[in-house]
Amino acid sequence: QKEVEQNSGPLSVPEGAIASLNCTYSDRGSQSFFWYRQYSGKSPELIMFIYSNGDKEDGRFTAQLNKASQYVSLLIRDSQPSDSATYLCAVIIGNQFYFGTGTSLTVIP
Amino acid sequence: GAVVSQHPSWVICKSGTSVKIECRSLDFQATTMFWYRQFPKQSLMLMATSNEGSKATYEQGVEKDKFLINHASLTLSTLTVTSAHPEDSSFYICSVTGLDLSADTQYFGPGTRLTVL
Repeated sequence: QKEVEQNSGPLSVPEGAIASLNCTYSDRGSQSFFWYRQYSGKSPELIMFIYSNGDKEDGRFTAQLNKASQYVSLLIRDSQPSDSATYLCAVIIGNQFYFGTGTSLTVIP
Repeated sequence: GAVVSQHPSWVICKSGTSVKIECRSLDFQATTMFWYRQFPKQSLMLMATSNEGSKATYEQGVEKDKFLINHASLTLSTLTVTSAHPEDSSFYICSVTGLDLSADTQYFGPGTRLTVL
């Protein structure tokens, strides 16, 4: 089992809908979780991080963490075509940073 | 967040030459810098981790003599691709963490696109 797993997609949603991106991780003791967005040909940019169980909201983005089930998700409300990108989940396991392979999201106008 | 720059943003070179890529943290002291490589439509691949003033730790399969990393200061790390070949053509991205940043969050530079002819 990989340390961090994501569905590679592609995930397509219509403009205005909610996009839901999921990530599972292997180490129950992990404490730090991150979501990055990467546009084609560009480097990743941090969207948000979350450390505690529950939801964390930032604008149209909500990160949800469930440590018991070992998953972290990212919801994007009112999806826009500009949200079309690859979304990377990252988890610190031990003292190492692990990235998922990313989920490709396309928002259809 | 943190501001991280890379130079050059793109470079084209002949096979057999060496290329140096700089990664700078502009507004904080980067205690740890990471170097990644990303081939088209593939995921990030960590190449090495470097701490200021010490030797870099390379991931398995990454040749330390080919990819020379120098983290000479808290604001600068360099990656030198020695005797570059076409298969080294890739997108090289650095990232940083530091004491002043949010926990262990990694902030990425804009990347350097290397093309070896």
